[in-house]
This record gives sequence, C-alpha cells and structure tokens, in this order.
Amino acid sequence: DGGITQSPKYLFRKEGQNVTLSCEQNLNHDAMYWYRQDPGQGLRLIYYSQIVNDFQKGDIAEGYSVSREKKESFPLTVTSAQKNPTAFYLCASSIGWESGNEQYFGPGTRLTVT
Amino acid sequence: GENVEQHPSTLSVQEGDSAVIKCTYSDSASNYFPWYKQELGKGPQLIIDIRSNVGEKKDQRIAVTLNKTAKHFSLHITETQPEDSAVYFCAASKETFNKFYFGSGTKLNVKP
Repeated sequence: DGGITQSPKYLFRKEGQNVTLSCEQNLNHDAMYWYRQDPGQGLRLIYYSQIVNDFQKGDIAEGYSVSREKKESFPLTVTSAQKNPTAFYLCASSIGWESGNEQYFGPGTRLTVT
Repeated sequence: GENVEQHPSTLSVQEGDSAVIKCTYSDSASNYFPWYKQELGKGPQLIIDIRSNVGEKKDQRIAVTLNKTAKHFSLHITETQPEDSAVYFCAASKETFNKFYFGSGTKLNVKP
C-alpha cells in the first residue's frame, strides 16, 4: 500500500521539551509539507521541501525545525521556542512542487503540551 | 500573499438535499483550486479540483464552479448522504509553486 504515515497518532509532552514528529511516504514524491491545524481554522504551512536536502520556511516556521535527508522522510521538530505547540499536525506530499499537483495527506499527529 | 475566505463555517442539511459551500480568493494569479474533505481525526482527502482554464467540473454528486472574474469558486454536493458529514476545505495555489492557501473550513452535517 502506498501512502503517508505519521507517528505517533497522539503525543504528550511537558512544556520546555523538544519533540519530533515523524512523517514517512512511499509514494516516491519529491515535495513534502508540514501543516498545523487549530480548531476552527484552516491549515497553515509550517515548512516545505521541494527535494531531498532542501527545505523552506512556510508561513508559521518560528519555533519549528525540519530535515530532509531522505526522499521518503520529513521529520518535524517542535522546539521549546514554539509558544503554542498544542495542535493537530499534518504532513503532506506531492509528486512535484509545480502548481496543480495534488497534495496527499497523512493521518496527522495530535500534540498536547502541558 | 493569497487570502482565501470560506462560507459558511457550519452547514446543516437534510439527507437528500443539496449543499453549497463558497470560497473567495484575492490573488488573480491563483490557478488551481482543490477541495478537501476531512473526517474527524483524519487527514484531508482531495475530493475534486478545478483549474483556472475551466469553469465547471463534475464528478458524480460533486461539482465545482469557478468564476475567475469575481474570484470565487463553489462546491456543490447533490443528494447528500450522512456519510458526506465532514469538514470541507477549499484551497488556492498560484502558478509558481504548489503552495496551498486554505480556507477556514465548513463543517457539514447531513441529518438522516
């Protein structure tokens, strides 16, 4: 089965701790994305990667970091500098970074920081 | 940047009725408009999309219309069923890059 996996589904952390969210795809897609979703709001882009070893900040990158060392993997680290980290995090991928390519989403990770 | 507004935020219809969700966008350079359905606790899934060189597209009970002059596009669901209940998001992206600007979502409730 081809698709995007995110783990874990639920994650709990204490304030002040960094946490890394996993995203893996076996679709052979070049582009990958991380979004944050808050209740009653649309998806907001955190980081994106057009190709391996390259990534760019999205609209709300402060307090987050990413890496793209392998084509199939795009982990997101939520650092202690992120002021409101509790949210639903979604990873997506598309076959290319050109406009008009469908973005395929993973099932999401719900992060709760207390 | 691009600003996408979506209305209504909630929509309740009776099974069998039609549902319409509307979005407006601000940047005339936007040329791709996907619609996503998100069920509770899951990631969004593409249900239909339209490009700027087309005015309407249908797929069974779902249709999307685009008015480039007015910068708005709409999702139409006919003969609604309880399994259509979900949150629907519209989005827009421009020519240069596959960055999606999402609307704030519409929670559709189809009552049996």
